[in-house]
Amino acid sequence: GAVVSQHPSWVICKSGTSVKIECRSLDFQATTMFWYRQFPKQSLMLMATSNEGSKATYEQGVEKDKFLINHASLTLSTLTVTSAHPEDSSFYICSARNLGGRDQYFGAGTRLSVL
Amino acid sequence: AQKITQTQPGMFVQEKEAVTLDCTYDTSDQSYGLFWYKQPSSGEMIFLIYQGSYDEQNATEGRYSLNFQKARKSANLVISASQLGDSAMYFCAISSTGGFKTIFGAGTRLFVKA
Repeated sequence: GAVVSQHPSWVICKSGTSVKIECRSLDFQATTMFWYRQFPKQSLMLMATSNEGSKATYEQGVEKDKFLINHASLTLSTLTVTSAHPEDSSFYICSARNLGGRDQYFGAGTRLSVL
Repeated sequence: AQKITQTQPGMFVQEKEAVTLDCTYDTSDQSYGLFWYKQPSSGEMIFLIYQGSYDEQNATEGRYSLNFQKARKSANLVISASQLGDSAMYFCAISSTGGFKTIFGAGTRLFVKA
């Protein structure tokens, strides 16, 4: 099956620093990638949808200047949490879909802890 | 707008027995797909089963089957012969056919007892 690699799996950073999370599709071209945020014991909340080569579409309430998404190639999307604060601590999951594809393929997630 | 409702925050099942996880949905789309995912404590999302809104037969994948009742807008997941490794969070999700977004329910935590 299709594989999506997400890195890092776990990151701890100081408040005020920026953190970059990478999401790579290893064996298919991901025309669309999704970024989700999941708080403990809660569901996945879609943050943004990105299509290769164009600006990401953010969900209502998600600060685009806070969560920078870049989808520069068909195999890589990045999420940068800028000036992270403790309230940004969460589990971030990416997923990818190829053109016309039905299924989403998920990365393993990144646990972000901001001290 | 689409919405998924999972009313069971937690469920217990005895090993080797079957269990049904409930899912109801709301959508104005005529063509859509319903998904079930498993999320173990490690956090990864594991795809289990898919049902298209025009599929006449209920989907089955090994020990997983989907009880699709379109008129009632329900898409319950049935796990047969539960195993200890089935203990996890289970999410029901909906997506418009050809659409971009997938909306997830709140999830049900399943505990399988030995």
